[in-house]
Amino acid sequence: QSVLTQPPSVSGAPGQRVTISCTGSSSNIGAGYDVHWYQHLPGTAPKLLIYGNNIRPSGVPDRFSGSKSGTSASLAITGLQAEDEADYYCQSYDSSLSGSGVFGGGTKLTVL
Amino acid sequence: QLQLQESGSGLVKPLETLSLTCAVSGGSISSGAYSWSWIRQPPGEGLEWIGYIYHSGTTYYNPSLKSRVTISVDRSKNQFSLKLSSVTAADTAVYYCARRYSAYGAPFDIWGQGTMVTVSS
Repeated sequence: QSVLTQPPSVSGAPGQRVTISCTGSSSNIGAGYDVHWYQHLPGTAPKLLIYGNNIRPSGVPDRFSGSKSGTSASLAITGLQAEDEADYYCQSYDSSLSGSGVFGGGTKLTVL
Repeated sequence: QLQLQESGSGLVKPLETLSLTCAVSGGSISSGAYSWSWIRQPPGEGLEWIGYIYHSGTTYYNPSLKSRVTISVDRSKNQFSLKLSSVTAADTAVYYCARRYSAYGAPFDIWGQGTMVTVSS
């Protein structure tokens, strides 16, 4: 049972927009900790996609954006491409767990 | 460009100690700007943070694993290590090492490819 809750799967057609939610609580996202997002293709190293709630590292297309409000966060992907098919994880920290890093359970994005 | 590479035993017997090493190349593990982490992913499950170590040697562990985990740094070899004792089948997972900025709430910005560890007799 992950501390942060994500939908197990989302899907969209090429060119469409999809969003992935990440729901936490008052001890993690709601406590003011930043939310970070990772893209993971099986067998490869996870890649930092968004950090500090809405900042893209160099090289990440602006099709990817993040937001945070209250105890939740979201990742939006616009102009969906076949190469976006991957697992996406949100991550934050939790004060009730002594500041431990916590992850969402992951969301499998399927490009139809 | 900094790179991380995990290595270690891929098969560990129940109740024994899992030992993994993460070699850091393209940068120094002694930089005070970063901490060094271990994260794992059991088959079919999500990511689980194990812990991290600062350049000072200070460590932070997941409370659920704290009694069994030790993370250490070998500056002479530019690498850091994970030891997990008394393993069970539940510890079977892909283990990743990762770099994290030494800042409040920082992300894990660089990851290794991961190494699969199976706990089985």
